[in-house]
Amino acid sequence: SQQGEEDPQALSIQEGENATMNCSYKTSINNLQWYRQNSGRGLVHLILIRSNEREKHSGRLRVTLDTSKKSSSLLITASRAADTASYFCATGSNAGNMLTFGGGTRLMVKP
Amino acid sequence: EPEVTQTPSHQVTQMGQEVILRCVPISNHLYFYWYRQILGQKVEFLVSFYNNEISEKSEIFDDQFSVERPDGSNFTLKIRSTKLEDSAMYFCASSELQGGTDTQYFGPGTRLTVL
Repeated sequence: SQQGEEDPQALSIQEGENATMNCSYKTSINNLQWYRQNSGRGLVHLILIRSNEREKHSGRLRVTLDTSKKSSSLLITASRAADTASYFCATGSNAGNMLTFGGGTRLMVKP
Repeated sequence: EPEVTQTPSHQVTQMGQEVILRCVPISNHLYFYWYRQILGQKVEFLVSFYNNEISEKSEIFDDQFSVERPDGSNFTLKIRSTKLEDSAMYFCASSELQGGTDTQYFGPGTRLTVL
């Protein structure tokens, strides 16, 4: 897989359920960031976790990072219909300025 | 809360025409970026800009592309002679610190359609 690959590609859940999305990457990173994109709109930054961190919380979001497995997960608890969007992970490194994005997970939360 | 803005939101052009996409980064940020997202595909890095010069660019950013910071607030992407395959959503982003180590804040995007 390429740097920053998410799975599943699509996820459909009921409102109130938790949603878990995973991201894998290949090279060493400085940080991993999660973004949300509503259909055809801009990228909204959700959370950044650094390579020396294992877990981070922000509201209903919980992100974990396992650098030994080169993977991260994003958990959205008590999902709402408004959480319906695509979620992307992106990795940054000390070597440059670019973020490398994954293909995204399309989340649908049914009311 | 400060945000990155982009204009226009949608640009339609004929193949071979020049387009300029405009961005106003967050005011205290020093690093600026352009990315693009072809419909249904990943977000791809094009170029980063710091201290009035390109600091990094991808293979996509060929001689048809150029960037400029014409004044203290605007940051532009110019495509000299557009091709059909340039049709995409173009995102501007900015960060306070070097992009690989800091949060990059994205604008709402400009949808470019090349006919």
